[in-house]
This record gives sequence, C-alpha cells and structure tokens, in this order.
Amino acid sequence: GAGVSQSPSNKVTEKGKDVELRCDPISGHTALYWYRQSLGQGLEFLIYFQGNSAPDKSGLPSDRFSAERTGGSVSTLTIQRTQQEDSAVYLCASSLWGGKHEQFFGPGTRLTVL
Amino acid sequence: QQQVKQSPQSLIVQKGGISIINCAYENTAFDYFPWYQQFPGKGPALLIAIRPDVSEKKEGRFTISFNKSAKQFSLHIMDSQPGDSATYFCAASMDGATNKLIFGTGTLLAVQP
Repeated sequence: GAGVSQSPSNKVTEKGKDVELRCDPISGHTALYWYRQSLGQGLEFLIYFQGNSAPDKSGLPSDRFSAERTGGSVSTLTIQRTQQEDSAVYLCASSLWGGKHEQFFGPGTRLTVL
Repeated sequence: QQQVKQSPQSLIVQKGGISIINCAYENTAFDYFPWYQQFPGKGPALLIAIRPDVSEKKEGRFTISFNKSAKQFSLHIMDSQPGDSATYFCAASMDGATNKLIFGTGTLLAVQP
C-alpha cells in the first residue's frame, strides 16, 4: 500500500567517506531506477534494475558508484570515497515490469559532502 | 541526441491564467513523453503523459500538445492556481529494455494569487 520509501532522508558526510542510500520500492514492482538531481538540474538516470539484475548501469558516473538489489525488493546505492560533486538528491523510482508503466518516485535522499 | 530541452527555466503566472512549458527533443526513437510535477522536499509525481500517435491529451486543467514533425511537446495548465506552484519536468523514453526517463532541466512555476 505504501509508496516508495528512501532512507536516510538527509545525509551529511565528509569528503572521502563511503555512504549507503536505501530504497524500498512499492511491493510487486519489478523495475527499480536510481536518478540523481543536482541543484538546478534535471534528473539524471543512474541505474536500472529488473528484479535483482542491473541490465543498464550506463548512468553511473564513476566506479565509485555501485548499487545492488536483493530479493527483488530493497536496493542500496553505495558511493565510495565521496567527493563534493556527489552532493545531490538521490531519487529512487519503481514501476511494474519496467515498460511504459508509470514510475513512482520516492522522496529522495539529500546527500551533502563537506 | 539523448537530450530533452525545456523552457522556460522559470515562469510566473497570475491566478486563472494559462501556464505554458515547452520541451524539444532530437531522438526520434523516443515514444513516451511524460510530465512530472515536483513540490519542494518531495519526489516527482506523474502528471500526464502522451505517446506520439496522438497530438493532444487533456486531463482536467492539464493538456499536453505534441508536434511530432517539429519534435516538440508542451504542457498547458489552464486556470492556473496557487496550488500548481511547483517544478515541472518533461521527460522522454524509448521502447526498449530499460525505459529509463530522460528529463528536461525543469521549470519552476509560481502562480500568484
């Protein structure tokens, strides 16, 4: 019944530290997307999951970024050795099948790298 | 070719007026064009979407106009209300394995009472 949830809602970290961002999609949604929204920018695609597989990782900006999904449900986006340019709102979305179905977005995690 | 260009960046409209936001794309493989509405601190929410086989779609006060030959589409908000004040994003995707959305840069709409 609940929508997409993300945690934490806010994360402040120091440059060089690793962070993990969590996404709980809508139950039954097999497709899961991560997007990044930088200040004054549109949303930028990062990675797509269908079930536990990630057939499209083309948007991950560097090898410091990785993501996994387990049980066809929860997904974790990990950023290693954070940099100031990683500061952004990270949004997760889920949808049925991944086809032309509406993508439902979570509220996002605001990441600030000092 | 993957870009979606959106204008204006910001828009101020009087209550009851018409808000118009425009988007343009290059990739003719795009076949799904949604508009998302985002309030501060919230994730984007689907407002209305169109496919290129129709030129217009209307849902309540919101209308998408689509010009396939010009590769442009626009959102019209009729009788704009202060509650419509939000950021609006156009997007596009193409039929394929991922259906990832390519977003425009957003339009901040302020409807003055």
